[in-house]
Amino acid sequence: SQELEQSPQSLIVQEGKNLTINCTSSKTLYGLYWYKQKYGEGLIFLMMLQKGGEEKSHEKITAKLDEKKQQSSLHITASQPSHAGIYLCGADGTYKYIFGTGTRLKVLA
Amino acid sequence: NAGVTQTPKFRILKIGQSMTLQCAQDMNHNYMYWYRQDPGMGLKLIYYSVGAGITDKGEVPNGYNVSRSTTEDFPLRLELAAPSQTSVYFCASSETVAGNTGELFFGEGSRLTVL
Repeated sequence: SQELEQSPQSLIVQEGKNLTINCTSSKTLYGLYWYKQKYGEGLIFLMMLQKGGEEKSHEKITAKLDEKKQQSSLHITASQPSHAGIYLCGADGTYKYIFGTGTRLKVLA
Repeated sequence: NAGVTQTPKFRILKIGQSMTLQCAQDMNHNYMYWYRQDPGMGLKLIYYSVGAGITDKGEVPNGYNVSRSTTEDFPLRLELAAPSQTSVYFCASSETVAGNTGELFFGEGSRLTVL
């Protein structure tokens, strides 16, 4: 079955710093989704990537899909306390929609 | 816009008790899902449904049952609750088109503790 591995598992950055979160799939990615979860709440959809090399941006968050490497990266520029939370990647897997292990982000003011 | 509504938000059960987590969506989505999220972990798929009357197992179905009698509702039943079922449960829905799942819409979660 397909698995999604995220790195790092947790991240603490100073406000204003840039950061990158990676999501690596054990099988070929045909579509990759990024979600954000605030602590104790449900998940909010950020963006979807469907084509190799595709790159999308929303405010200060940019995600890119590298199909050859079966990997996607999420980059946050000039982080803010509002970016804190858990970031999860998702993909259509063997059991329909599967999720990565999650990256817990803390931004220090 | 109600979206996906889960009840209850919190529940404490004793070992061996049973209960049903309710999930309803008002977006006319064909696909619905139940996930569990253990502390510090990602989401694991319990069951999913591709439409009324059709359900299938996910990664971790043992100890749970589901039904989908209508497009709107997808309840999750726990029989004989065990401490290992202590978790946060999320219901989600999507409008899957041509095999592509697309965006999942999540409920706010139901926090279950089994003592």
